[in-house]
Amino acid sequence: GESVGLHLPTLSVQEGDNSIINCAYSNSASDYFIWYKQESGKGPQFIIDIRSNMDKRQGQRVTVLLNKTVKHLSLQIAATQPGDSAVYFCAERGSSGGFKTIFGAGTRLFVKA
Amino acid sequence: NAGVMQNPRHLVRRRGQEARLRCSPMKGHSHVYWYRQLPEEGLKFMVYLQKENIIDESGMPKERFSAEFPKEGPSILRIQQVVRGDSAAYFCASSPVGDRRTGELFFGEGSRLTVL
Repeated sequence: GESVGLHLPTLSVQEGDNSIINCAYSNSASDYFIWYKQESGKGPQFIIDIRSNMDKRQGQRVTVLLNKTVKHLSLQIAATQPGDSAVYFCAERGSSGGFKTIFGAGTRLFVKA
Repeated sequence: NAGVMQNPRHLVRRRGQEARLRCSPMKGHSHVYWYRQLPEEGLKFMVYLQKENIIDESGMPKERFSAEFPKEGPSILRIQQVVRGDSAAYFCASSPVGDRRTGELFFGEGSRLTVL
């Protein structure tokens, strides 16, 4: 079955605020995690990734944190903009072998102007 | 540089008919993955293929579903004798290599199948 899940199905934030999207995984053997963004009617787009030998990785306005002790992953978006409104998926690869990527259920982010 | 191309974008079929979904990976990519997405749900892995080989089909139903990635031409996901439960968005993704040091998948815009 799926080994990746999310705490909240929806998140509503004010424009300019920071957003935090959380994700839990169950398999301690997972070695690679990815966040994808999916806008309505489109395919997922890669945002940022992190390997299990890291705790934190930063990109442009985004930061991913990995806590292996509690098997928790989070995506932080700084200064959230209306264009950030989308569904965000955490995904993992490695625990089930091969190169397939397993996706969680997703969190829908609403940005209020 | 064209991205992953999927067609058709929308497909309507009646129960019992066949659906064929096509995917052309990004130029230079030799690995293709198919995912299914139900409304308001995540993407479920179906199958992973390289040219002329199925590498992992653990997520694909044993009956009515098949996939191929021939030496020439696009990857094809084929659904025979469709049922209403097959209605979903089917996404194709590609990657340049199966190197475990990289991980990003490049997705197409999806094919939305509706079974009447």
